[in-house]
Amino acid sequence: AQKITQTQPGMFVQEKEAVTLDCTYDTSDQSYGLFWYKQPSSGEMIFLIYQGSYDEQNATEGRYSLNFQKARKSANLVISASQLGDSAMYFCAMREGLSMNRDDKIIFGKGTRLHILP
Amino acid sequence: DTGVSQDPRHKITKRGQNVTFRCDPISEHNRLYWYRQTLGQGPEFLTYFQNEAQLEKSRLLSDRFSAERPKGSFSTLEIQRTEQGDSAMYLCASSRYRGSNEQYFGPGTRLTVT
Repeated sequence: AQKITQTQPGMFVQEKEAVTLDCTYDTSDQSYGLFWYKQPSSGEMIFLIYQGSYDEQNATEGRYSLNFQKARKSANLVISASQLGDSAMYFCAMREGLSMNRDDKIIFGKGTRLHILP
Repeated sequence: DTGVSQDPRHKITKRGQNVTFRCDPISEHNRLYWYRQTLGQGPEFLTYFQNEAQLEKSRLLSDRFSAERPKGSFSTLEIQRTEQGDSAMYLCASSRYRGSNEQYFGPGTRLTVT
């Protein structure tokens, strides 16, 4: 079963508009972490934001915020005031377990390609 | 603070040849990870090290693949008898064991097997 589901293969958004990228996840662990990474055409994976399963507040990093709805197992990324440089692939990812002996691998979704239109 | 570096950035090889990739993590990071990314997919976990110890290997890592991190610093990933299905981007990432949630990725090595 897929652990991370990103249902939007591609999105087109007008510059300066806000955009929401969807992500749902599947885990039976109580402790886990959720990530969003950006991958521009150059190929490097850029860390954007992290949300721990026990964090009570939604994570924010500049123009990025994570809309975490635990009961729905949803971790959508919101980008405010989009810019042309936001055009890239965006991956939602999960790491199960938060203890010191956690399994440290990250499981990625298939990604959403975001196009920002001028 | 230099980031994660990988060498080479691109490799073209003929089927059946062996290839080796190198990853240099961020210097104070003691965890190092290898991922493989094929076109249109997210990265898939292959293996990871804490210092020189290899802690987990994915079943994706067939016996043609071997990874080492001999002194707990740089790591190498070797693919023996390459197949066309091995064509992919091979990504390396590193992190601190404690206190850090993010893995920092290198630019990747793109392998093309002809």
